[in-house]
This record gives sequence, structure tokens and C-alpha cells, in this order.
Amino acid sequence: AQSVSQHNHHVILSEAASLELGCNYSYGGTVNLFWYVQYPGQHLQLLLKYFSGDPLVKGIKGFEAEFIKSKFSFNLRKPSVQWSDTAEYFCAVIPYSSASKIIFGSGTRLSIRP
Amino acid sequence: DAGITQSPRYKITETGRQVTLMCHQTWSHSYMFWYRQDLGHGLRLIYYSAAADITDKGEVPDGYVVSRSKTENFPLTLESATRSQTSVYFCASSDTSGRNTGELFFGEGSRLTVL
Repeated sequence: AQSVSQHNHHVILSEAASLELGCNYSYGGTVNLFWYVQYPGQHLQLLLKYFSGDPLVKGIKGFEAEFIKSKFSFNLRKPSVQWSDTAEYFCAVIPYSSASKIIFGSGTRLSIRP
Repeated sequence: DAGITQSPRYKITETGRQVTLMCHQTWSHSYMFWYRQDLGHGLRLIYYSAAADITDKGEVPDGYVVSRSKTENFPLTLESATRSQTSVYFCASSDTSGRNTGELFFGEGSRLTVL
């Protein structure tokens, strides 16, 4: 079955530390990939997306993600986190052939110490 | 501003009562979704709709009913609420045309408590 794995459930960092959140998926075909962010008490918002082309994609607020097809991975990175990055981060995958079969990872809670 | 709105934002009800959560979007997106979010489970798809009058079950459909008589509305009904349905419910919509396939736009969420 198709699945998305986010291995880190809770990550705690100090301000200015570098961030990398892992996301791996299982699906053999073409996929579109997303990272969503949910700030405390808010709804999910799109952080960045990958459809095709350059596997290194840049999103809002200094985030970027790299699609490595051979590893079925789409890890999220930020060189220097801020306290305002405290949120929950969800990786999502959709097989290109099925607009309805969006699969979310279980989420990673990021806590930033000021 | 166009968008996706949910109502009510907060609801407290009792076991056995019927509850309807409303979702309205102004983009004319063809796809609409209902998710529930629970600690430790992330987001789980309840139902989705590909177009007006077309709905299908997601991962956790039991105890829920949906309808989509108009493209812009996608209400979710709990016919007889149970405590296990206490959750935060998110509605989302998606424009599936071309490159935008799969990008979801979420509502603010409806926090439901079943006593």
C-alpha cells in the first residue's frame, strides 16, 4: 500500500540551528510532493511543492526541499530556524494519476527554543 | 476574499445527537475533502468528492455522511455522534487541473467535542 513516513515525531532545536525533516514515500509511479505547515491553532498551509523539474524546490520563509527519486525522499530543510517556525509539518504525496489519493505523513512537531 | 470557510468553528454536542459541519469554497474547485485530525494519528481522510453528486469514502468513513449537491458546498454529517468523533475537522478543496494537481487549500477547522 502507498504510504508516507515521517520518521521524526518531535524535533526540538535552538534558534539559528539548521533543520532537516525526513519524508519518505512508497509508490512506484510519478508523484507530486508537498510540505504543509500548521502553526499552533491554525489550519494547514502549503509550504512548498514539487511537480517536476529542478529537484531542489524553494518555499516560503526560507524553507527548501530536495526530491531524491532514487531514495523516494523529499526532505525539508532550513539553514537557520527561528522561534516562529514552531509548528507541525506534514509531508504529502499524490500519485500523478489520481487527484484524490493524497497521502499525508503523520507529521513532525517542531519546537524551537528561543 | 475568496476562500474556503467552515462552520461552526467550535461545537459541543452530546452522544447520539446529529451534527452537521458545513464547508463552503468560492474557487469552484472540483475536489473537496474532509479530514479529521487527532493527536498521534495526523490527518485522516473521511470522505472526498470529485464533483457535484460524486462522493467516495476515505480512510475512516464510518459514522459520517456527506453530500455534494452544489460544487461549492460539502457538508459533513455525524448522524449519531459518539465520543470517539471528538476531533478537529478540516475541509479542503483542490483544483486538479494541470500542474496544480494535488495542492490542497484548507479551511480553518471545526473543533467538535462530543460529551
